[in-house]
Amino acid sequence: AQTVTQSQPEMSVQEAETVTLSCTYDTSESDYYLFWYKQPPSRQMILVIRQEAYKQQNATENRFSVNFQKAAKSFSLKISDSQLGDAAMYFCAYGQGGKLIFGQGTELSVKP
Amino acid sequence: DAGITQSPRYKITETGRQVTLMCHQTWSHSYMFWYRQDLGHGLRLIYYSAAADITDKGEVPDGYVVSRSKTENFPLTLESATRSQTSVYFCASRVGELETQYFGPGTRLLVL
Repeated sequence: AQTVTQSQPEMSVQEAETVTLSCTYDTSESDYYLFWYKQPPSRQMILVIRQEAYKQQNATENRFSVNFQKAAKSFSLKISDSQLGDAAMYFCAYGQGGKLIFGQGTELSVKP
Repeated sequence: DAGITQSPRYKITETGRQVTLMCHQTWSHSYMFWYRQDLGHGLRLIYYSAAADITDKGEVPDGYVVSRSKTENFPLTLESATRSQTSVYFCASRVGELETQYFGPGTRLLVL
Protein backbone atom coordinates (compact mmCIF):
# COMPACT_ATOMS: atom_id res chain seq x y z
CA ALA A 1 0.00 0.00 0.00
CA GLN A 2 1.12 3.50 -0.71
CA THR A 3 2.28 5.62 2.20
CA VAL A 4 3.26 9.25 2.56
CA THR A 5 5.62 10.46 5.27
CA GLN A 6 6.30 13.99 6.42
CA SER A 7 9.10 13.73 8.94
CA GLN A 8 8.97 17.34 10.16
CA PRO A 9 5.93 17.93 12.40
CA GLU A 10 6.90 21.60 12.81
CA MET A 11 9.08 24.06 10.95
CA SER A 12 9.87 27.71 11.45
CA VAL A 13 11.16 30.34 9.03
CA GLN A 14 12.01 34.01 9.22
CA GLU A 15 9.94 36.31 7.05
CA ALA A 16 11.55 36.78 3.59
CA GLU A 17 13.70 33.69 4.04
CA THR A 18 13.44 30.32 2.27
CA VAL A 19 12.20 27.11 3.82
CA THR A 20 11.96 23.55 2.53
CA LEU A 21 9.38 21.03 3.71
CA SER A 22 10.16 17.35 3.22
CA CYS A 23 7.97 14.54 1.98
CA THR A 24 8.72 10.96 1.05
CA TYR A 25 6.34 8.36 -0.30
CA ASP A 26 6.29 4.70 -1.06
CA THR A 27 4.72 3.22 -4.17
CA SER A 28 5.35 0.56 -6.78
CA GLU A 29 3.43 2.51 -9.41
CA SER A 30 5.11 4.51 -12.16
CA ASP A 31 2.25 6.84 -13.06
CA TYR A 32 0.91 9.03 -10.27
CA TYR A 33 0.56 12.58 -9.04
CA LEU A 34 1.92 14.41 -6.05
CA PHE A 35 0.45 17.44 -4.35
CA TRP A 36 1.11 19.96 -1.64
CA TYR A 37 -1.94 21.38 0.10
CA LYS A 38 -1.96 24.28 2.53
CA GLN A 39 -4.35 24.43 5.48
CA PRO A 40 -4.43 27.83 7.20
CA PRO A 41 -6.19 28.38 10.54
CA SER A 42 -9.51 28.65 8.64
CA ARG A 43 -9.07 24.90 7.96
CA GLN A 44 -9.77 25.32 4.26
CA MET A 45 -7.64 22.94 2.19
CA ILE A 46 -5.92 24.92 -0.54
CA LEU A 47 -3.99 23.37 -3.41
CA VAL A 48 -0.47 24.81 -3.53
CA ILE A 49 1.22 22.85 -6.28
CA ARG A 50 0.88 19.66 -8.31
CA GLN A 51 3.48 17.41 -9.94
CA GLU A 52 2.88 14.70 -12.50
CA ALA A 53 5.26 11.79 -12.01
CA TYR A 54 5.94 11.42 -15.72
CA LYS A 55 7.29 14.96 -15.91
CA GLN A 56 10.94 15.39 -15.11
CA GLN A 57 10.66 19.14 -14.78
CA ASN A 58 9.93 20.35 -11.28
CA ALA A 59 6.64 22.24 -10.88
CA THR A 60 6.70 25.90 -9.90
CA GLU A 61 3.94 28.25 -8.79
CA ASN A 62 5.21 31.74 -8.04
CA ARG A 63 7.16 31.49 -4.75
CA PHE A 64 6.47 27.78 -4.40
CA SER A 65 8.53 25.11 -6.11
CA VAL A 66 9.14 21.43 -5.66
CA ASN A 67 12.15 19.17 -5.82
CA PHE A 68 10.82 15.92 -7.24
CA GLN A 69 13.22 12.99 -7.05
CA LYS A 70 11.32 10.04 -8.50
CA ALA A 71 13.96 7.40 -7.89
CA ALA A 72 14.35 8.48 -4.29
CA LYS A 73 10.56 8.88 -3.90
CA SER A 74 11.04 12.32 -2.50
CA PHE A 75 8.89 15.40 -3.05
CA SER A 76 9.95 18.47 -1.11
CA LEU A 77 8.33 21.90 -1.19
CA LYS A 78 10.41 25.05 -1.23
CA ILE A 79 8.84 28.34 -0.22
CA SER A 80 10.89 31.37 -1.20
CA ASP A 81 10.55 34.87 0.24
CA SER A 82 8.34 33.56 3.04
CA GLN A 83 5.42 35.73 4.04
CA LEU A 84 3.35 35.86 7.21
CA GLY A 85 0.41 34.50 5.24
CA ASP A 86 2.37 31.33 4.52
CA ALA A 87 1.95 30.23 8.12
CA ALA A 88 -0.21 27.11 7.96
CA MET A 89 -0.24 23.34 8.08
CA TYR A 90 1.14 21.85 4.88
CA PHE A 91 0.14 18.41 3.67
CA CYS A 92 1.88 16.32 1.08
CA ALA A 93 -0.39 13.95 -0.85
CA TYR A 94 0.02 11.10 -3.29
CA GLY A 95 -2.65 10.62 -5.93
CA GLN A 96 -3.25 7.56 -8.05
CA GLY A 97 -6.37 5.79 -9.25
CA GLY A 98 -8.56 8.69 -8.23
CA LYS A 99 -7.67 8.68 -4.53
CA LEU A 100 -5.35 10.79 -2.42
CA ILE A 101 -3.19 9.57 0.42
CA PHE A 102 -2.01 12.30 2.78
CA GLY A 103 1.00 12.68 5.00
CA GLN A 104 0.60 13.73 8.62
CA GLY A 105 1.36 17.37 7.90
CA THR A 106 4.02 19.94 8.75
CA GLU A 107 3.05 23.03 10.70
CA LEU A 108 4.94 26.03 9.39
CA SER A 109 5.31 29.18 11.44
CA VAL A 110 6.67 32.42 9.99
CA LYS A 111 8.49 34.83 12.28
CA PRO A 112 8.30 38.57 11.52
CA ASP B 1 -19.89 29.87 -8.68
CA ALA B 2 -20.29 28.28 -5.23
CA GLY B 3 -17.95 25.35 -5.93
CA ILE B 4 -18.23 22.84 -3.15
CA THR B 5 -20.21 23.46 0.02
CA GLN B 6 -20.76 21.55 3.23
CA SER B 7 -23.48 21.78 5.83
CA PRO B 8 -23.69 22.13 8.69
CA ARG B 9 -20.33 23.77 9.39
CA TYR B 10 -20.54 22.87 13.08
CA LYS B 11 -22.51 20.12 14.76
CA ILE B 12 -22.80 18.88 18.32
CA THR B 13 -24.59 15.61 18.88
CA GLU B 14 -24.85 12.85 21.43
CA THR B 15 -23.63 9.29 21.37
CA GLY B 16 -26.05 6.98 19.58
CA ARG B 17 -27.76 9.64 17.49
CA GLN B 18 -27.88 9.60 13.72
CA VAL B 19 -26.14 12.49 12.01
CA THR B 20 -25.99 13.39 8.33
CA LEU B 21 -23.38 15.69 6.87
CA MET B 22 -24.20 17.22 3.52
CA CYS B 23 -21.91 17.94 0.59
CA HIS B 24 -22.92 19.73 -2.59
CA GLN B 25 -20.81 20.64 -5.62
CA THR B 26 -21.76 22.82 -8.56
CA TRP B 27 -19.06 21.63 -10.98
CA SER B 28 -20.69 18.32 -12.04
CA HIS B 29 -17.50 16.47 -11.13
CA SER B 30 -17.85 12.72 -11.34
CA TYR B 31 -15.74 11.88 -8.32
CA MET B 32 -16.56 12.91 -4.78
CA PHE B 33 -14.84 12.04 -1.51
CA TRP B 34 -15.29 12.17 2.24
CA TYR B 35 -12.29 12.53 4.56
CA ARG B 36 -11.89 12.91 8.27
CA GLN B 37 -9.09 14.90 9.84
CA ASP B 38 -7.76 14.05 13.26
CA LEU B 39 -4.68 15.25 15.08
CA GLY B 40 -1.64 13.23 14.08
CA HIS B 41 -3.38 11.44 11.24
CA GLY B 42 -3.68 14.00 8.49
CA LEU B 43 -6.69 13.34 6.29
CA ARG B 44 -8.03 9.83 5.95
CA LEU B 45 -10.46 8.70 3.27
CA ILE B 46 -13.80 7.42 4.52
CA TYR B 47 -15.76 6.80 1.31
CA TYR B 48 -15.64 7.92 -2.26
CA SER B 49 -17.92 7.87 -5.27
CA ALA B 50 -16.97 7.63 -8.94
CA ALA B 51 -20.45 8.59 -10.18
CA ALA B 52 -24.08 8.65 -9.12
CA ASP B 53 -25.05 5.32 -7.53
CA ILE B 54 -21.40 4.15 -7.39
CA THR B 55 -19.67 4.29 -4.02
CA ASP B 56 -16.71 2.54 -2.48
CA LYS B 57 -14.97 2.27 0.87
CA GLY B 58 -11.85 4.16 1.76
CA GLU B 59 -9.40 3.64 4.60
CA VAL B 60 -11.78 4.19 7.56
CA PRO B 61 -15.38 3.37 6.51
CA ASP B 62 -16.67 1.68 9.67
CA GLY B 63 -19.62 3.46 11.26
CA TYR B 64 -20.39 5.55 8.17
CA VAL B 65 -22.87 5.24 5.33
CA VAL B 66 -22.94 7.20 2.07
CA SER B 67 -25.30 7.54 -0.85
CA ARG B 68 -25.19 9.37 -4.15
CA SER B 69 -28.46 9.56 -5.98
CA LYS B 70 -27.51 12.80 -7.73
CA THR B 71 -24.13 13.76 -9.17
CA GLU B 72 -23.98 17.00 -7.20
CA ASN B 73 -24.76 15.62 -3.73
CA PHE B 74 -22.82 13.20 -1.55
CA PRO B 75 -24.21 12.95 1.99
CA LEU B 76 -22.34 11.16 4.77
CA THR B 77 -24.37 9.54 7.56
CA LEU B 78 -23.20 8.43 10.96
CA GLU B 79 -25.88 5.89 11.81
CA SER B 80 -25.11 5.77 15.54
CA ALA B 81 -22.54 8.39 16.45
CA THR B 82 -19.68 7.49 18.79
CA ARG B 83 -17.17 9.75 20.57
CA SER B 84 -14.40 8.41 18.34
CA GLN B 85 -16.19 10.02 15.40
CA THR B 86 -15.54 13.49 16.81
CA SER B 87 -13.50 15.00 14.02
CA VAL B 88 -13.40 17.50 11.20
CA TYR B 89 -14.98 16.14 8.04
CA PHE B 90 -14.03 17.30 4.57
CA CYS B 91 -15.82 16.67 1.34
CA ALA B 92 -13.90 16.94 -1.93
CA SER B 93 -14.48 16.52 -5.63
CA ARG B 94 -12.02 15.63 -8.32
CA VAL B 95 -11.10 17.61 -11.37
CA GLY B 96 -11.01 15.37 -14.42
CA GLU B 97 -8.08 13.05 -15.01
CA LEU B 98 -5.46 15.17 -13.31
CA GLU B 99 -6.23 13.73 -9.90
CA THR B 100 -6.51 17.17 -8.34
CA GLN B 101 -9.13 17.34 -5.63
CA TYR B 102 -10.79 20.49 -4.43
CA PHE B 103 -12.11 20.60 -0.91
CA GLY B 104 -15.14 21.99 0.84
CA PRO B 105 -14.75 24.16 3.95
CA GLY B 106 -15.18 21.27 6.38
CA THR B 107 -17.67 20.30 9.09
CA ARG B 108 -16.55 20.20 12.69
CA LEU B 109 -18.44 17.44 14.51
CA LEU B 110 -18.43 16.93 18.26
CA VAL B 111 -20.00 13.79 19.67
CA LEU B 112 -20.71 14.01 23.41
